[in-house]
Formats: sequence, C-alpha cells, structure tokens
Amino acid sequence: DTGVSQDPRHKITKRGQNVTFRCDPISEHNRLYWYRQTLGQGPEFLTYFQNEAQLEKSRLLSDRFSAERPKGSFSTLEIQRTEQGDSAMYLCASSLANGKGHYEQYFGPGTRLTVT
Amino acid sequence: KNEVEQSPQNLTAQEGEFITINCSYSVGISALHWLQQHPGGGIVSLFMLSSGKKKHGRLIATINIQEKHSSLHITASHPRDSAVYICAVSPGGGGGADGLTFGKGTHLIIQP
Repeated sequence: DTGVSQDPRHKITKRGQNVTFRCDPISEHNRLYWYRQTLGQGPEFLTYFQNEAQLEKSRLLSDRFSAERPKGSFSTLEIQRTEQGDSAMYLCASSLANGKGHYEQYFGPGTRLTVT
Repeated sequence: KNEVEQSPQNLTAQEGEFITINCSYSVGISALHWLQQHPGGGIVSLFMLSSGKKKHGRLIATINIQEKHSSLHITASHPRDSAVYICAVSPGGGGGADGLTFGKGTHLIIQP
C-alpha cells in the first residue's frame, strides 16, 4: 500500500497525559498537512510542512501541540497535557508541490483520539 | 460566518435520483476540492478544480469563480454513494500556504 498511513488508528488516553501520532506520507510527496476533525464538523487545518520546514501553523495549534518532520519524510504530532476538548479525529494528508499551481492532497485514515 | 458554506447539510434520496450538492465560499481561492468521507473517517479526493467543469464517471463538478459557487452532481445515484461530501478551498495567491478550509459537509443517504 503506497498511500498515506497513520498510526495509531485509535488512541484512548486520560486527561493530562501526552500523546504522539505518526504520519507517513506518500513517499515522493514533499508537503505534509495535519488537520483536526470533531464530530459532525468538517476538518480544520492545523499545520503543514514543506520537506522538513514547518511553514504555517493555525491559531488552533496551542502551545500544547507540536509537530515535527525531522527528515522531510514522516511526521509526528504531539499533544501535551491532553484535555477532553482535544478528542477528535486527527487527519494527515500529503501532496506533491511541483511549482505548477494546485496540489491535490491525499488523506490518511486518521487517528481517532478520545480523552477521558 | 464560515468561509465555506455547503447545502444541504443532510440529503436523503432514492436510488437513481440526480443529486446536487452546493458550495459557496467567501474568500479568494486558487482551487476548490470536493472530497468524500465514509464512516470511519477515510477521506478521498474526488475533484480539484479552478474553473469550468470536470466529470468522472457518474460524478460531475462545476465551479463559477465570479459567483464563488461550486456544485457537485451525482447522476443515477446508488446506495454506495452514501457518504459525507465535503467542499474545501485552497487559499488564493498560489505557491504559498495551501492548508485547506473545509465546509461542514453534506451527509448523503441513498436509499435502495
């Protein structure tokens, strides 16, 4: 399978714990995006990387959230001191930005986080 | 006011009916995306368009840049088309940030 993969698919954690999610993009894709989707809503943009550089962060990304893409391949999203409001589906997507305009994004299956 | 508005929010139709889902946006865009999301979360890109019309099988997407409006049509609908259809836009300017802004989605149910 050469699509976008995410791990874990489901995570249940207690409030106050730290969690880390991983995303593996399509191998030749240089852009990687993180989104969050709460129940009944459309996804919301969190952040994106071009290669290893984090180029944009949404104001939704509080200080408790940090994302990395150290080698320009896989990415991790860490949430520290989780709160119940962090419960959501965390989606990763990747694209190939080749300088020719619009870039289709390919989505992973998501990681569903439940904070109890 | 959400920058991307979809209508209807929910739609139930009979198999074979012609389906239209609408999307209006209030910001400058470089492209508009139609996405399909099945229960369990997986999102599949159906179309990305910046002008005119695209067709893939029974799906047709149109966009009117001047009116800031797009429609997704499904011809000869089938129960397997049941899903949430999401409209999303890439910001204008090109070449810069392209984190998508999403609508809330249209929950479509096709009954046999």
